[in-house]
Order: sequence, then C-alpha cells, then structure tokens
Amino acid sequence: AQSVTQLGSHVSVSEGALVLLRCNYSSSVPPYLFWYVQYPNQGLQLLLKYTTGATLVKGINGFEAEFKKSETSFHLTKPSAHMSDAAEYFCAVSGENTGFQKLVFGTGTRLLVSP
Amino acid sequence: DTAVSQTPKYLVTQMGNDKSIKCEQNLGHDTMYWYKQDSKKFLKIMFSYNNKELIINETVPNRFSPKSPDKAHLNLHINSLELGDSAVYFCASGQAISGNTIYFGEGSWLTVV
Repeated sequence: AQSVTQLGSHVSVSEGALVLLRCNYSSSVPPYLFWYVQYPNQGLQLLLKYTTGATLVKGINGFEAEFKKSETSFHLTKPSAHMSDAAEYFCAVSGENTGFQKLVFGTGTRLLVSP
Repeated sequence: DTAVSQTPKYLVTQMGNDKSIKCEQNLGHDTMYWYKQDSKKFLKIMFSYNNKELIINETVPNRFSPKSPDKAHLNLHINSLELGDSAVYFCASGQAISGNTIYFGEGSWLTVV
C-alpha cells in the first residue's frame, strides 16, 4: 500500500526565509507524487507534481520539489517565503497502476509566515 | 467558468436528517471523486466513479450513497446524519490516466448539530 508521511504538522518561517516542507513516501511501484495547497476555507489547488522524467519539478507561486528515489522523498521548497504562502500543504501519492487515480494524502503541514 | 463546482458550500443540519451535496465538473473528465476532510484536516477518498460506474468505495457507511447521473455530475446523499459526519466534503475530477492531475472543488462544510 502506498502512503506519505509529512514531517511537522506546523512549520513557521519569517517572510523572506527559505520554506522547506518535508514529504516521504512509501510505494511498491514507481509513484506519482503531488503537492497541493489549501488556503483557509478553500479547496485544494495543485502546486506541482512528479510523474516521470526530470526529478526537479517546478510549480506555481515559486515552489519546487525534488524527487529523490534513494531517500524516498519529495520535499517542497521555496527560496523566499511570502505572507500569502500561509496555508495548509498536502503531499499525496498515487500510482497503483490501476489506470485510475487514487490519491493518498499525508496529514498536511500548516505553513505560518511571520512578518 | 468554475471547473469543479459543488453546492451547498455550507450546510448546518440536525442529527437524523437526510441531506445531499451536488457536484458538477465542466472539464470533460471521465472520473469523479468524493473526498472527506475531517477536523484534523486529514483527507481521505470516499468514492470514485468512472463514466458513471462506481470504481472505488472505501468502506464508507451505507448511509452515504453517491449517484452519478452522467459523467459530469456526482452527487452525494447522506441519510440519517450523525454528529461524526461533520466534515468538509470535497468533490474532485480527473481523467483516468495514472499521474494525471485531480482537480478539486471548493468544498462543502457540513455541520451536524
């Protein structure tokens, strides 16, 4: 069974600081990995995803993530945090080769950005 | 031009009532989903329909009955609501190809009192 673990339910950074949100996955098959963001009282929006090819994936709003198979990780980074980045971030995995998508989510990490 | 739209956004109801949440997608996707987000923000899939056929049912109580009249619509009906059903319910859609993006609606906040 596939799963993801997000280390740290809360991450606090100052505006302008590096953002690092951690995600480790377990999968018996090559996984597809996603990061979604949820702003307060809103739905989930895709930030970026890894399927195949280049392991460094760039997403929206200046975020990027690197797929590291040796570390089973897909950490999300942003060089400089902005106040508007404060939100809940979810890592998710799929790839059971069923032909159908079944996203399995991590428990989420709340990013807090202080002035 | 909302891609995945669900109604109502907020719903407060009493225990024992029956309620429905409607969902529509205009992306031309062949697969739709219902996810539940609990009070701790944990997201879990409930159901998935592909071309109007149920393909995923994650041991959800049978008080929950999804209905897909066509591949652009997936409604969720809940009978005999319980306090524990209070959650945010997200509708989503995607094309049935592994690795494809799943698009989520804005969520329906259900509170059972």
